[in-house]
Amino acid sequence: SQQGEEDPQALSIQEGENATMNCSYKTSINNLQWYRQNSGRGLVHLILIRSNEREKHSGRLRVTLDTSKKSSSLLITASRAADTASYFCATDGRLRGSGNTGKLIFGQGTTLQVKP
Amino acid sequence: DAGVTQSPTHLIKTRGQQVTLRCSPKSGHDTVSWYQQALGQGPQFIFQYYEEEERQRGNFPDRFSGHQFPNYSSELNVNALLLGDSALYLCASSTGVTYGYTFGSGTRLTVV
Repeated sequence: SQQGEEDPQALSIQEGENATMNCSYKTSINNLQWYRQNSGRGLVHLILIRSNEREKHSGRLRVTLDTSKKSSSLLITASRAADTASYFCATDGRLRGSGNTGKLIFGQGTTLQVKP
Repeated sequence: DAGVTQSPTHLIKTRGQQVTLRCSPKSGHDTVSWYQQALGQGPQFIFQYYEEEERQRGNFPDRFSGHQFPNYSSELNVNALLLGDSALYLCASSTGVTYGYTFGSGTRLTVV
């Protein structure tokens, strides 16, 4: 079963606008990761945020994590047509000690369309 | 530096048949995980191999089995194929000490 839900399921914006996607999860996590998938092909790792971090940036990407609400958001600024893809959040659970489980649990994904 | 390589890219099988999918991990990675992604859904964890042993398993029947070889490459076997096994099968590699996973492009399996 899926870990949680992503919101919205689909998003359509104009080039240059910002895109925000949200993700909720259910269990304790070691880290949360965001992936991009183009046309049903392989997943590309975008960014990882650890459970003790609240915000992380990578280029035009900004990820926030609120462990008290079990939620995360991905912001893509100044979007481009090439950003058109499906975006997935995935959580890596916590095992005894500090290790991660190595088992990613994915959300259903947000399909982003950026119109030129 | 090659990433994760999966073969074949596409495969069509008949219900009841058996299939083997292959994965070569990224150089330096020793852990391989397999995921099934149905159309319109997020990937679901099948199992993970480390040191040639299944370390973790998701909620998949015993028809799904795997193997990891000494060179860290891996195979996913599915027996007695059902129509519902039609999906994109993704392989991901990682190391035990780093976070983040590298995914292959997947194998699209169609069961008819």
